[in-house]
Amino acid sequence: DTAVSQTPKYLVTQMGNDKSIKCEQNLGHDTMYWYKQDSKKFLKIMFSYNNKELIINETVPNRFSPKSPDKAHLNLHINSLELGDSAVYFCASSPTGTGDFSYGYTFGSGTRLTVV
Amino acid sequence: EDQVTQSPEALRLQEGESSSLNCSYTVSGLRGLFWYRQDPGKGPEFLFTLYSAGEEKEKERLKATLTKKESFLHITAPKPEDSATYLCAVRSNTGFQKLVFGTGTRLLVSP
Repeated sequence: DTAVSQTPKYLVTQMGNDKSIKCEQNLGHDTMYWYKQDSKKFLKIMFSYNNKELIINETVPNRFSPKSPDKAHLNLHINSLELGDSAVYFCASSPTGTGDFSYGYTFGSGTRLTVV
Repeated sequence: EDQVTQSPEALRLQEGESSSLNCSYTVSGLRGLFWYRQDPGKGPEFLFTLYSAGEEKEKERLKATLTKKESFLHITAPKPEDSATYLCAVRSNTGFQKLVFGTGTRLLVSP
């Protein structure tokens, strides 16, 4: 059973389109994250939700909107896609509070977004 | 602002040739330094967490050490299956549970 699963794995779309990436975790964690990894492998945090509440919102264009229907799911919707949005997007989860953070995050396998 | 710099960017080793990867960091109160391994097309996988200077952790051919300014990932007698990108990340006293990552070191071990 996959701990953190993302769909789709690959996404090719045209500029100006709107797309969504879905993420689900079955680890019982209460915090979830979205990270963007560029072509140089640099991972940068975008958002974090704790129990459906937005906790971290880095400097990200407002074309990106996260949605967390419950603590096991965190989706990412992107409006009006641009060429520069091409990257690999990773979802991750972790426990919070009294949970054990000694293992950091558990990552999904990523969604490679290509905007043409 | 928390910063992590990893060197070298890329490292090519022969099987059995030991070496070290470096992670230098600047952080406002370290609450943990994390090492991850990332294989092509996959998400990062957890390796180690270090909390205080002088701490060391080992797993098979890997050993991670920590000082007040940097961490090293020592690879002893590497095998081709150790080829991957190794990522370092820090968690500070601020920013909830945000991990700040370096750009990684791409390791290639040839037979």
